[in-house]
Amino acid sequence: EAQVTQNPRYLITVTGKKLTVTCSQNMNHEYMSWYRQDPGLGLRQIYYSMNVEVTDKGDVPEGYKVSRKEKRNFPLILESPSPNQTSLYFCASSLRVTGELFFGEGSRLTVL
Amino acid sequence: QQQVKQSPQSLIVQKGGISIINCAYENTAFDYFPWYQQFPGKGPALLIAIRPDVSEKKEGRFTISFNKSAKQFSLHIMDSQPGDSATYFCAARDFFGNEKLTFGTGTRLTIIP
Repeated sequence: EAQVTQNPRYLITVTGKKLTVTCSQNMNHEYMSWYRQDPGLGLRQIYYSMNVEVTDKGDVPEGYKVSRKEKRNFPLILESPSPNQTSLYFCASSLRVTGELFFGEGSRLTVL
Repeated sequence: QQQVKQSPQSLIVQKGGISIINCAYENTAFDYFPWYQQFPGKGPALLIAIRPDVSEKKEGRFTISFNKSAKQFSLHIMDSQPGDSATYFCAARDFFGNEKLTFGTGTRLTIIP
């Protein structure tokens, strides 16, 4: 089954404790991206990757890091989480030609 | 800077009625306009999409109307059903801006019996 898998789905952590949200896709997509969803703000892009070893900032990259060492994986790293990073996070991937984004089921992060 | 403006924020429609959600954009480099549907606890999923060379696209009960000169596009859901209750996001892609999809702020649609 074609899918984007994120882990963990739910996480409560404390300020400053480094965490990683993993993302993996099995569709051989070149393009991968991370979004955060907040009430009234919609989906905002954090980082994206056009292919392996190619990453770039989206609209709200502050406080986040990413890497793309393999085509299928695109982890999101919060080096020192803060309460304003409490949000619902989505990983997505697409074939560049079609533009259709396939989303994971989301990771709800709470930073205390 | 919000490049895609979506309205209304929430919408309540009776079963069988027509649901209409509107979006407006400013960037004339946008070349692809999808709508995503999101159910609670799930990620958004592509519902229907249009390219700017056509003014309308219909798939079942869902229609996108596109007005290039006004830089507006809208989603119409005919014969709305309770199963259509979800959050809807419009989006636009800037092909020359690294193919990024910019999303609207979302519309929570509720269909009442």
